[in-house]
Amino acid sequence: AQSVTQLDSQVPVFEEAPVELRCNYSSSVSVYLFWYVQYPNQGLQLLLKYLSGSTLVKGINGFEAEFNKSQTSFHLRKPSVHISDTAEYFCAVSDRGTGKLIFGQGTTLQVKP
Amino acid sequence: DAGVIQSPRHEVTEMGQEVTLRCKPISGHDYLFWYRQTMMRGLELLIYFNNNVPIDDSGMPEDRFSAKMPNASFSTLKIQPSEPRDSAVYFCASSLTFRLAGGETQYFGPGTRLLVL
Repeated sequence: AQSVTQLDSQVPVFEEAPVELRCNYSSSVSVYLFWYVQYPNQGLQLLLKYLSGSTLVKGINGFEAEFNKSQTSFHLRKPSVHISDTAEYFCAVSDRGTGKLIFGQGTTLQVKP
Repeated sequence: DAGVIQSPRHEVTEMGQEVTLRCKPISGHDYLFWYRQTMMRGLELLIYFNNNVPIDDSGMPEDRFSAKMPNASFSTLKIQPSEPRDSAVYFCASSLTFRLAGGETQYFGPGTRLLVL
């Protein structure tokens, strides 16, 4: 069965600093990979996704992620964070056969002034 | 488009009562998903529909939970009888046909925060 591991439950960072949120997945077949963001008291919204092609994927709000097949990782990065980036971030893998999303446990990004 | 609409946004009920959560997907989307989010278990897929037909309900915790989709624009998730351990945030999401077999984006509603006393 597929699974997703987000290696950090909380990541505190100062405003304008770079950040990396780590995600590893386990799958024996090709997958699609997603990052979703959840702001307080809201639903999830898509940040970016990897389907095929270039391993560096750019998303909204200045985020990007790199797909690394050999390391089965899909880490999310932003070179300079803002207070408004404070939120919960979820990595997810899609089962190509069914389209079901398997989510990681989430990483809380806390941006401090 | 208004996005995925869920109601109510908050629900407080007593143990043993019936709870009905409602969802209106984005118009034209033919997949609908129900998720549950808790601190302990994170985001779990409960059930999903394709063209109003339940495809996979393996995530439904037990017989107390049921979901229906009588038409393309409405779905319900019902808990009867409710228990305190059902307290969670329940999300509905919708997406277009899986042309890329899983690559479509899911659009989430704002969620219903359920508290069972």
